[in-house]
Amino acid sequence: AQTVTQSQPEMSVQEAETVTLSCTYDTSESDYYLFWYKQPPSRQMILVIRQEAYKQQNATENRFSVNFQKAAKSFSLKISDSQLGDAAMYFCAYRSPYSGNTPLVFGKGTRLSVIA
Amino acid sequence: NAGVTQTPKFRILKIGQSMTLQCTQDMNHNYMYWYRQDPGMGLKLIYYSVGAGITDKGEVPNGYNVSRSTTEDFPLRLELAAPSQTSVYFCASTEGRAEAFFGQGTRLTVV
Repeated sequence: AQTVTQSQPEMSVQEAETVTLSCTYDTSESDYYLFWYKQPPSRQMILVIRQEAYKQQNATENRFSVNFQKAAKSFSLKISDSQLGDAAMYFCAYRSPYSGNTPLVFGKGTRLSVIA
Repeated sequence: NAGVTQTPKFRILKIGQSMTLQCTQDMNHNYMYWYRQDPGMGLKLIYYSVGAGITDKGEVPNGYNVSRSTTEDFPLRLELAAPSQTSVYFCASTEGRAEAFFGQGTRLTVV
């Protein structure tokens, strides 16, 4: 079974600075999807960014970018120019494209604080 | 565009009571999931479905049941509620290569 590990329970960053959240995963599959979700205090799960394993280019969405290292099974999230609104729990998630496997697996999350 | 709709948003149950958490999606997604999130933790999969009439257990299925009679609806049934089932419950759906879309969650307290 696939597993997702987020080794940083909590992180903090100064406003306008850059922070990187770590995520590693374990799988024997060659094709899969990886996601970062943000969960603010409202509890809503918000998609931040996604990466498809067959694409070598790292995904980027405005201030958010990933460093996808397929061989190392690593998928870190970089937040540039951090803003107060970025404070939230961040979850890394793995999804298998094969219906016989557990479809979406989450890490335990990293709580990000942004200091003004 | 409603997306994924969960009801209720909050509920307090007494030990031993039963209830059904409703989940409906209007995106014609085949894949639907139920997760629970305990305080300060990640999401754990309870049950999932790959299409109408097909369901399967996730990581923590004990104490729950599901059904999938239509593509749109995926209700989660709690029988004989226990304090250990106090949690926030999320329903989600997805299709193809898309990301999962989540409902707003149900905060359940069992006392």
